[in-house]
Amino acid sequence: EVQLVESGGGLVKPGDSLRLSCAASGFTFSSYTMNWVRQAPGKGLEWVASISTSSTYIYYADSLKGRFTVSRDNAKNSLYLQVTSLRAEDTAVYYCARFDQLITVALDYWGQGTLVTVSS
Amino acid sequence: SELTQPPSVSVSPGQTARITCSGHPLPNHYAYWYQQKPGQAPVLVIYKDSERPSGIPERFSGSTSGTAVTLTITGVQPEDEADYYCHSTDSSDIWVFGGGTKLAVL
Repeated sequence: EVQLVESGGGLVKPGDSLRLSCAASGFTFSSYTMNWVRQAPGKGLEWVASISTSSTYIYYADSLKGRFTVSRDNAKNSLYLQVTSLRAEDTAVYYCARFDQLITVALDYWGQGTLVTVSS
Repeated sequence: SELTQPPSVSVSPGQTARITCSGHPLPNHYAYWYQQKPGQAPVLVIYKDSERPSGIPERFSGSTSGTAVTLTITGVQPEDEADYYCHSTDSSDIWVFGGGTKLAVL
């Protein structure tokens, strides 16, 4: 069974940094491009970033470039998102999602998300 | 680039719900639809404009016309009440979501 479990969220102060993690299991992690998507409270989904299988290709939403860094460790079946200089508007649930490039060409599995709250 | 959806759609049980999504990426790139219920992660319900993943009921279908795509739910059930998001790419690797549509089953 495919499982994606995010962690690392919590209450942080403006200006802090945070690293989110996503632990993957039930599939060959190293064969899939992975994504981060976030959702502010009561708002819609916002795509954040994607990283290819060997980290060769990394893309970010234009509005988020500069403070967000996505990375992965295929040996640990883990995906990461480093966020610096956190702002109130970064408050959101952060989801990791697998990209299926073979059949659906879509985000076919999602974790349950980790909540990041930025507040003083 | 943006994908535009109506904020809300309301239907009675058994009726047909149609949710549209429009934007310039759509004639050149596939659209995808996700269902999200309160407190849950999104679930893919339509891929490549009109394909349905295994396990998704047949009442869910997708279609495309020019710069718009439509998610149709035929014979809406109470459990279909959720937020629905369209999703596409404006280049080969940059993704964008629509603003979401709240489907109310009255």
